[in-house]
Amino acid sequence: KNEVEQSPQNLTAQEGEFITINCSYSVGISALHWLQQHPGGGIVSLFMLSSGKKKHGRLIATINIQEKHSSLHITASHPRDSAVYICAVFPGTYKYIFGTGTRLKVLA
Amino acid sequence: GAVVSQHPSRVICKSGTSVKIECRSLDFQATTMFWYRQFPKQSLMLMATSNEGSKATYEQGVEKDKFLINHASLTLSTLTVTSAHPEDSSFYICSAGRDSSETQYFGPGTRLLVL
Repeated sequence: KNEVEQSPQNLTAQEGEFITINCSYSVGISALHWLQQHPGGGIVSLFMLSSGKKKHGRLIATINIQEKHSSLHITASHPRDSAVYICAVFPGTYKYIFGTGTRLKVLA
Repeated sequence: GAVVSQHPSRVICKSGTSVKIECRSLDFQATTMFWYRQFPKQSLMLMATSNEGSKATYEQGVEKDKFLINHASLTLSTLTVTSAHPEDSSFYICSAGRDSSETQYFGPGTRLLVL
């Protein structure tokens, strides 16, 4: 079992839908990142969380440290949101642990 | 938030040549930088940890002489792929932090294609 599990692995949505991507982890962490990787490969750091909730535009990220769980929500999804979303946890030592990613496709 | 850049964003080179990729922390001093490699449809894999002013620490299975890492200043680390071969074609990503115990900020990545 991976230390960081993401679900779903693949997701297809219609434009305008509300999307939730989940990340569960089994190790103690000091921070969690949500990364976005577009088809061309470029990585964008969306959020870094250590507690609570953060919002940026149509994106919302939450984390529950006790339950070892984080969610990334996209409101009013758009085709340009199509990308791979990666959850990465930082246990406080040097090595990040990455989820395998959620491949999102938003159809017009 | 802290910004990390990489240059170039993509590079195509001939087999046998060497390619240098730069990772810069733009608005903070990075004592530690990390280099990752990503194969298609796979997760990021840590290659090495780069500490300013000292030798890099490589993960098991990563060839030190193949992937040369230099971290000569607090804002710049370089990864040189020496005598590149088509199997070195990949996506290379760096991250940087103020020190190894602090969270890291990720660069956008560099796509290398070796013909």
